[in-house]
Amino acid sequence: AQSVDQPDAHVTLSEGASLELRCSYSYSAAPYLFWYVQYPGQSLQFLLKYITGDTVVKGTKGFEAEFRKSNSSFNLKKSPAHWSDSAKYFCALGLPQTGFASALTFGSGTKVIPCLP
Amino acid sequence: EAAVTQSPRSKVAVTGGKVTLSCHQTNNHDYMYWYRQDTGHGLRLIHYSYVADSTEKGDIPDGYKASRPSQENFSLILELASLSQTAVYFCASSDWDRDSGNTLYFGEGSRLIVV
Repeated sequence: AQSVDQPDAHVTLSEGASLELRCSYSYSAAPYLFWYVQYPGQSLQFLLKYITGDTVVKGTKGFEAEFRKSNSSFNLKKSPAHWSDSAKYFCALGLPQTGFASALTFGSGTKVIPCLP
Repeated sequence: EAAVTQSPRSKVAVTGGKVTLSCHQTNNHDYMYWYRQDTGHGLRLIHYSYVADSTEKGDIPDGYKASRPSQENFSLILELASLSQTAVYFCASSDWDRDSGNTLYFGEGSRLIVV
């Protein structure tokens, strides 16, 4: 069965610093990969996705992610990042089935916490 | 504006009681999903549907039923609510094609507390 691993439960963020959130997946073929963001008390918002083609994909809010088949990863990046990016981020995997969609499998999420001076 | 709306947004239920969570989408999507989120954790799939009058079991269907009476509406039913079903429930909808995949669009969530 497929799975998604987000190894960092929490990451601290300094204003203006670079942000990188790790995501790895387990699946025998090339999956669809997604990133979502959840602000406190809110629902999940779509950030970006990788389906095929260019391995670096750009999304909303200045985020981008790179698909690396060699190590089954899909890390999310933003530079510079801001305290307003403090939220919980979820990586998700979808299966490219013929004829119908599959539900997404989500990782446990990484919470980005502001590091105040 | 296309949207996924859930009701109720918040509910307190008694153990053993029946709970129905409703979801309505105006995205004209074929696919709808119910996930639950437990505090501090990710999302787990309960039920989903790809056509009206048909539902499929997800990863954690025990204790839940689902109903899809129309393309726009998808309900989650807890016949006998239990304490372990206290969680936030998210409904989502999506379309799908091989070139663009299936981006899920989520509702605002329904917070259920079972006492």
